[in-house]
Amino acid sequence: DAKTTQPNSMESNEEEPVHLPCNHSTISGTDYIHWYRQLPSQGPEYVIHGLTSNVNNRMASLAIAEDRKSSTLILHRATLRDAAVYYCILRDRNQGGKLIFGQGTELSVKP
Amino acid sequence: NAGVMQNPRHLVRRRGQEARLRCSPMKGHSHVYWYRQLPEEGLKFMVYLQKENIIDESGMPKERFSAEFPKEGPSILRIQQVVRGDSAAYFCASSLDRGNEQFFGPGTRLTVL
Repeated sequence: DAKTTQPNSMESNEEEPVHLPCNHSTISGTDYIHWYRQLPSQGPEYVIHGLTSNVNNRMASLAIAEDRKSSTLILHRATLRDAAVYYCILRDRNQGGKLIFGQGTELSVKP
Repeated sequence: NAGVMQNPRHLVRRRGQEARLRCSPMKGHSHVYWYRQLPEEGLKFMVYLQKENIIDESGMPKERFSAEFPKEGPSILRIQQVVRGDSAAYFCASSLDRGNEQFFGPGTRLTVL
């Protein structure tokens, strides 16, 4: 699986938008971009995934660069409950299976 | 529809004992994954099972660790002769198919004294 690069940590203010970047310059044409998050003392939780087009769901939006070498997870209005470690993961659509977690971005949200 | 269930949530063992961790996947899910998170470290894949079969065990330590997912009942991760370095949070996840999103359980926190 190709590698991803994320900032170690980010800070946000409550009720403001948050843009979490991810670089994946060696992404292949069959890799989906997945985002998971892990709240303190909990198991990871699926957030969103996409291939080429931008994606929206009730939790977040995923903006994918035209060349697919980077993507951004967007939380439209951060809440204190969004404080977590966010993981950007590439997953080959022909293989699936295991998730390979990197270090992720630890997001803190200030009231 | 209950989520992924893991038990026990906390497990304390002395060095040399056996630890058995159980995972009940979401209803209808036949794909199960085990991950380990050592203190202050990231999540590492251990093993992927699909009903009675081990599909990928590339992350499993070669000795003392084994996993199964029988036709009936939960998936079991078994650690024999535990050592202090086995102390970690063990997470189980399940999915409908191998390419689908994975749903994680709350984890079992193993402490080896």
